[in-house]
Amino acid sequence: DTGVSQDPRHKITKRGQNVTFRCDPISEHNRLYWYRQTLGQGPEFLTYFQNEAQLEKSRLLSDRFSAERPKGSFSTLEIQRTEQGDSAMYLCASSRGSGTESGELFFGEGSRLTVL
Amino acid sequence: GNSVTQMEGPVTLSEEAFLTINCTYTATGYPSLFWYVQYPGEGLQLLLKATKADDKGSNKGFEATYRKETTSFHLEKGSVQVSDSAVYFCALANNNNDMRFGAGTRLTVKP
Repeated sequence: DTGVSQDPRHKITKRGQNVTFRCDPISEHNRLYWYRQTLGQGPEFLTYFQNEAQLEKSRLLSDRFSAERPKGSFSTLEIQRTEQGDSAMYLCASSRGSGTESGELFFGEGSRLTVL
Repeated sequence: GNSVTQMEGPVTLSEEAFLTINCTYTATGYPSLFWYVQYPGEGLQLLLKATKADDKGSNKGFEATYRKETTSFHLEKGSVQVSDSAVYFCALANNNNDMRFGAGTRLTVKP
């Protein structure tokens, strides 16, 4: 499978616990994105990497959220001290390209977080 | 800021019916416009795109034309199939790190 893969697919946790999601992008893609999607809404941009550099973070990404892409390949999204409002589908996407051209994002199937 | 507004769902059609899902946008500059589709149990995937005014994107019988004068990018298909049942998202981007999605429209096609 050469698509974007995310792990775990579903995580149930208690409020206050930390969770970490992993994304493996398509290997030749240098851009990696994290989005959050809640029921009945479209994906909302969280953050974006070009290779290992995190170039942009949305104001939706509070201090409890941290994302890394240490070697420019896979990425992790950690949520500390989870709150019930963090319950959502966390989507990862990757793309190739540089500059400002708009290309195609390839999405993973998402990691669903349920905070009890 | 940039935003997309799309037709609320759900939309239920019979097989072979004509489909239109409306999408309008607000943007600075000259964004590219996209339709993404999410089939049950799968990730979002690009359906079609248009990068400048008057361009028509097309794929799998779906079409959408970039209308700058009406700031619209409506999705159309002349004859839907059961396999088209999915959630459709309109999106725009000035560049890859600023892609904004609409809320999605769920389409159900009945045989």
